[in-house]
Formats: sequence, structure tokens, C-alpha cells
Amino acid sequence: AQKVTQAQTEISVVEKEDVTLDCVYETRDTTYYLFWYKQPPSGELVFLIRRNSFDEQNEISGRYSWNFQKSTSSFNFTITASQVVDSAVYFCALKAGGSYIPTFGRGTSLIVHP
Amino acid sequence: DSGVTQTPKHLITATGQRVTLRCSPRSGDLSVYWYQQSLDQGLQFLIQYYNGEERAKGNILERFSAQQFPDLHSELNLSSLELGDSALYFCASSVGPGGEYEQYFGPGTRLTVT
Repeated sequence: AQKVTQAQTEISVVEKEDVTLDCVYETRDTTYYLFWYKQPPSGELVFLIRRNSFDEQNEISGRYSWNFQKSTSSFNFTITASQVVDSAVYFCALKAGGSYIPTFGRGTSLIVHP
Repeated sequence: DSGVTQTPKHLITATGQRVTLRCSPRSGDLSVYWYQQSLDQGLQFLIQYYNGEERAKGNILERFSAQQFPDLHSELNLSSLELGDSALYFCASSVGPGGEYEQYFGPGTRLTVT
């Protein structure tokens, strides 16, 4: 079984603030893959990142960074110096060994105010 | 632009009717996924095809069916429509058969059943 929990339903920040979106996952498999997707108001989901369970190295891409910690089963996403264009719903997803398809979390709605 | 196309963008129809949603995957992708997104249910996986064959099935109603054609485009057929079927329907594609590959989403079809 695989499960993803995004406990934060909605986060509201002011532009230039840093914000972290939490993602906690559950699986008994040792091989698994984690994803983040962004769904802006236009509606189309956009792939952001994929990590496998054997690579715990954190990743940074511009203002975006991801912190993967197997010890706490978390794959958190931080946006530094947030901008209004970051306003979107962000989904975390998990694909574990025994499942054909990934399980998506319920999503976190991020609202960045100017 | 993800390279995944979906038509139509919007669809308004009456209860009891039947509609067909169409999806063309990114060039080179062999997998097509269908999802339903509604406010109360989040992103729900419906069905996956890989290279013309059904590979995984999610919470797809018996009134719904899908297929993937030799040119790899896919169609999702929804019949005996009910008010509750009103939702955003997304198609996504990926290069491989397993859920460990990132998915690229189309712009979605917004279905309204009146």
C-alpha cells in the first residue's frame, strides 16, 4: 500500500516570504519514487521533480528546493522568495514498488499575495 | 506546453447523454493515463493504457470506458451521464509503462452535466 499526506490544505503568504510545503509518505517498499506537480490557476498540472528512494540528495532548482528525508518519510518542497506566479495547487505523489500507478496527495493550495 | 493535447476544452451536456474525450500523448510517449478531478474527490486515477493495452485500472465507473488506438491517441467515453460526473478530466502521458516515470498532463476537459 502507498499513501501520501499533504496536511496543509491551504497556505497564504506575502510575496518574498519563504514557504515550505509538507509531504509525508507511507510505504513498506524499499524502492519507490516521489514526485511534485504544480497546478496553476490555468488548470494544467506541471511536472516539477522526481526522486527515487536511493537518492536522498537534496535538490535545488532556482528558487525551488526539495528536502528528501527517509528517516521521517518526508519529501518537502520549499519556495524561496515566493512570487505571485507561484500561486497554485501543489501535489506530491508516490509510486511504490508494488503499484502500477502513483498515488497523489490531496494537494496544498498556495496563495501568494503581492 | 507539455505536448499533450486534449479535446474538447469544455463540454456541456445533459444527464443521460454520452460524450467522448480525446487525448494525444507527447511524441514518443507510449503510456496514457486518465484522471478525474473534482473539488471534493481530488485527483482520481481512472485508467492507464500502455502501447494499446490496458495496464492499470483505478476507480473507473462501469459507465466509463477508454481505449488507446494504434497511433497512441486515447479516448475516454462517458455514458449515462449524471450530475456528479461534472469534473475536470485530465489525460497524462509518460514514456514507460510504470508509474515511476514522470507524467505530462494535458490542459484538461471541463465537463459540465446539467
